[in-house]
Amino acid sequence: QKEVEQDPGPLSVPEGAIVSLNCTYSNSAFQYFMWYRQYSRKGPELLMYTYSSGNKEDGRFTAQVDKSSKYISLFIRDSQPSDSATYLCAMSAGNTDKLIFGTGTRLQVFP
Amino acid sequence: KAGVTQTPRYLIKTRGQQVTLSCSPISGHRSVSWYQQTPGQGLQFLFEYFSETQRNKGNFPGRFSGRQFSNSRSEMNVSTLELGDSALYLCASSFFGQSGEAFFGQGTRLTVV
Repeated sequence: QKEVEQDPGPLSVPEGAIVSLNCTYSNSAFQYFMWYRQYSRKGPELLMYTYSSGNKEDGRFTAQVDKSSKYISLFIRDSQPSDSATYLCAMSAGNTDKLIFGTGTRLQVFP
Repeated sequence: KAGVTQTPRYLIKTRGQQVTLSCSPISGHRSVSWYQQTPGQGLQFLFEYFSETQRNKGNFPGRFSGRQFSNSRSEMNVSTLELGDSALYLCASSFFGQSGEAFFGQGTRLTVV
């Protein structure tokens, strides 16, 4: 079993939809949770960064962490075609920059 | 502020050769990590350097090595290249190297033929 599980998709939604992306994990030592966006042939771009449990909002993006369930989510409101990319969740145990990544979910937002 | 810079962007090598990839972190960042990204395995951690010291190493053979210089720039080296080493190699940097809030470069795409 992988430490971090993520549905690879692809996920196809119409413009304006609310998108929900999720990851589950097994290592209770993880304390820091990240979401990255990666466009084709580009490096991952840090979207959201969260410490421990709770919610964090940044514009159209909301990240949620539930450590008791070992479950994290990223919500995208009013999705745009420019949001079409692969979304990667990543986690860290702290005192290190070593990240464990999910496999990534490919999102397609059509006009 | 300039981002993480990786050179070269593309590289084609022959089996058995060796290769050196370079990474310049964001100015002021002292931690540099390297990852290998392939379609089958996704993003996998290679190693992490902080203030010229290797702090962590991933589960890769000894053919993969790296180092960090006093100006925080980093290099990784792969010797005796195999076809399976074809991948996107990504470098990430952060200031404290403690929380994983790391910023990635565009990567070096290595093709081994």
